[in-house]
Amino acid sequence: EVQLVESGGTVVQPRGSLRLSCAASGFTFSNYWMHWVRQAPGKGLVWVAHIKSDGSETKYLDSVKGRFTISRDNAKNTLYLQLNSLRVEDTAVYYCSREDRTWYYMDVWGKGTTVTVSS
Amino acid sequence: SDDLTQPPSVSVSPGQTARISCSGNRMEHRYVSWYQQRPGQSPVVVIYQDTKRPSGIPERFSGSNSGDIATLTIGGTQPMDEAVYYCQAWDTTSFWVFGGGTKLTVL
Repeated sequence: EVQLVESGGTVVQPRGSLRLSCAASGFTFSNYWMHWVRQAPGKGLVWVAHIKSDGSETKYLDSVKGRFTISRDNAKNTLYLQLNSLRVEDTAVYYCSREDRTWYYMDVWGKGTTVTVSS
Repeated sequence: SDDLTQPPSVSVSPGQTARISCSGNRMEHRYVSWYQQRPGQSPVVVIYQDTKRPSGIPERFSGSNSGDIATLTIGGTQPMDEAVYYCQAWDTTSFWVFGGGTKLTVL
């Protein structure tokens, strides 16, 4: 079964740091571009970052550039998102997703992990 | 940055046709997908590449894209279709963008 399982979400203070993980199974992880998408409470989906299958290319939402870092370990079938200098407005459910690179859509999603930034 | 505009809400009666629009610049030149998100669940793709349905998605879901507007159509809407629907567009300029979401209510 194709599966993505996020972990690492917690409550953190403003200006704090956190690393999210996404464990992939049921498919050849190293063949796929991967994404992080977030959803603030009661709000819509917002694309955050993506990474090429081999990790050589990354791209970020403007508001997280310089604060968040997406990375992957293809030997461990795991995607990461390092979140630094966190702000209250970063509070959200963070989903990892797999990209279909032929038609540019997200064909598999995890259940999400919740990050709450609060003092 | 680029914005995709969706109506906040659409209401239909069971069995009627629901249409949800997604407007943005040069939509017909972009790859458009639609996602369904039920309360407390992760998004699920229902349409990709403007008109294609993934396996397992009912035939009542269809998509179109022309000019600056993409449209998700649900024919013969059922109560189980009640959810928030998001459009998403990709191109080489804007990359990945989601619309604000449309809450579909089946009355």
